[in-house]
Parts: sequence; C-alpha cells; structure tokens
Amino acid sequence: GAVVSQHPSWVICKSGTSVKIECRSLDFQATTMFWYRQFPKQSLMLMATSNEGSKATYEQGVEKDKFLINHASLTLSTLTVTSAHPEDSSFYICSARIGGETYEQYFGPGTRLTVT
Amino acid sequence: GQNIDQPTEMTATEGAIVQINCTYQTSGFNGLFWYQQHAGEAPTFLSYNVLDGLEEKGRFSSFLSRSKGYSYLLLKELQMKDSASYLCAPMDSNYQLIWGAGTKLIIKP
Repeated sequence: GAVVSQHPSWVICKSGTSVKIECRSLDFQATTMFWYRQFPKQSLMLMATSNEGSKATYEQGVEKDKFLINHASLTLSTLTVTSAHPEDSSFYICSARIGGETYEQYFGPGTRLTVT
Repeated sequence: GQNIDQPTEMTATEGAIVQINCTYQTSGFNGLFWYQQHAGEAPTFLSYNVLDGLEEKGRFSSFLSRSKGYSYLLLKELQMKDSASYLCAPMDSNYQLIWGAGTKLIIKP
C-alpha cells in the first residue's frame, strides 16, 4: 500500500516551454501533497504544499506564477513549470500524506527535468 | 531556528550493524521520520516515531528521545543494497518535515 506515482519520470524540454508533471496516489486518498526539488548532492527543498480543492501554499522564494500547482482531487496533483529555463533543471519529487491520525508521507519516484 | 545534525558519511561492513545518529532542533515537534534515498532516486519511508523509545521493523530500528532532541536509526545485518543516504526528518509544529543533507552510508564487502 501507500504507492505514489509520478509522470513523466524524465523530460527534456527547450527553454521557454512549459512542462507538466503529474503526481498520483494510487491506493489511498491524499489529504495533502507536497512538491520538492532536489539538486545533485543537496537536501530536499520543499517548494509548495497543496490541499485538495484549495490553493497551494508556496515556500519563500518559490515563484507561484512560474510553478503552477493544481490539486484537483484527493489522488492527483500537478506541477507545471512555465517558461522553463536551464536553471530549472532539477529532480522534482512529489509526496503525499495519508492524513487522519498518521502523518506518514510517501514519495513518488521523481521526475528529472532537463531544460536545454 | 530549525536544525538537523547528522554525520555526513559513514562506512560499515556487510553483515555488521551500524547506528546513524541525528540531533534536531525544531519549532514544535510532531514526530520524526527516517527515509532512505538511493542515488538518483526519491526517498522511501522507513519509520515514524512519535513517542520516546525504540521501534523495530525487521532489520531496521529507530529510536527517539524527545527530551534530548535525539534519534538514531539502527541497521542490522547490513547488505550491499543498504548503501544509500539516510535522512532524518523531524516534523515541526506546522506538520512540516524539516530536511537536512542526510548521512551517506557506504557498505563495504
């Protein structure tokens, strides 16, 4: 149980284009989903927290107009990187929290984005 | 501020036991997670401690002392596949996980 999927697993795009990443909880309903970014050999950096049906809460320094998050249902959240630039190249990972009395958080396999 | 302190790197031998220590300071506390992360992959959940004491789960055990702001992850019967980074992540008063750089564990034959 507690499986989270992400799609695509890797993507290469040209500078200036937009990329959408999907995150799905496959066998549970996620009250909260999180989006992280991780650069090589660095720690996870939380970008935003999203709750189903409400606007995402972005961390300081993360541009909400550039990183659009939509949490349309209890099993799906999407992150769209708009007008991507080479410095946006990174490993993007989503996680989902089961909720209720447990705060266990499960991660998707990640999406490696390369902007050329 | 919020802070996590773990050794940067540890080396152990296949079949042995290793203990990875973690001390933390957070604004409020709602439990502590341990995750395993292999290079180039996303973290995978290992354990979640809310109360003081030891939680055992197969070859892995996790200990928590809230009064000391201290936790450790104990790995027994080490296997080569255990080579990975181990992330200690306490949860603050806002139920946000606080992430450090983790401990890179190298297993040698």
